[in-house]
Amino acid sequence: DADVTQTPRNRITKTGKRIMLECSQTKGHDRMYWYRQDPGLGLRLIYYSFDVKDINKGEISDGYSVSRQAQAKFSLSLESAIPNQTALYFCATSDAGTGGRYGYTFGSGTRLTVV
Amino acid sequence: AQSVTQPDIHITVSEGASLELRCNYSYGATPYLFWYVQSPGQGLQLLLKYFSGDTLVQGIKGFEAEFKRSQSSFNLRKPSVHWSDAAEYFCAVGLSNFGNEKLTFGTGTRLTIIP
Repeated sequence: DADVTQTPRNRITKTGKRIMLECSQTKGHDRMYWYRQDPGLGLRLIYYSFDVKDINKGEISDGYSVSRQAQAKFSLSLESAIPNQTALYFCATSDAGTGGRYGYTFGSGTRLTVV
Repeated sequence: AQSVTQPDIHITVSEGASLELRCNYSYGATPYLFWYVQSPGQGLQLLLKYFSGDTLVQGIKGFEAEFKRSQSSFNLRKPSVHWSDAAEYFCAVGLSNFGNEKLTFGTGTRLTIIP
């Protein structure tokens, strides 16, 4: 099994619908992140969580919300999806004990299309 | 805030030729630096990282990168590319202070390999 699992892998949804992307990890890491990837823009941080009770907005949090249900689970929700939220979404984890020196472990991504 | 610039959007090289992908960062202190690779349809895989010590770091798949503080650069190199190296490459910078380990990514460089 993958260390960081994202579900679903692909999703097509309609404008205005609520959708949840899920992420679970078996790394035992404290810190979890949601990024979106758009062509030519790289990866941009949506939300991050340093532990279950610590959730923070990233650079592009508008239109998104998150829930950290447990150390191992971090979900991203689009309350009312719009077409410009069509993107590839990545979940990532890191270990607080390393101080960030070892980078992130990424999931395989969720490709979301809003029509 | 830290930032990362990858000036080359797309690079094409012949199989067997050498490769250098450029990365420049902006950060007041010594950062943590990373190169990730994303193969088509895949997540991001860590190629190599730098956080202290020897400024020439070796990574997986025959890649290396050199940290040059005076030039604020962390360029990725490979002496001889293989067709399987065709992918998108992302440079990332992280803060080197404990408690705030968020990565900022560049916009990526797409590498095409021609026979």
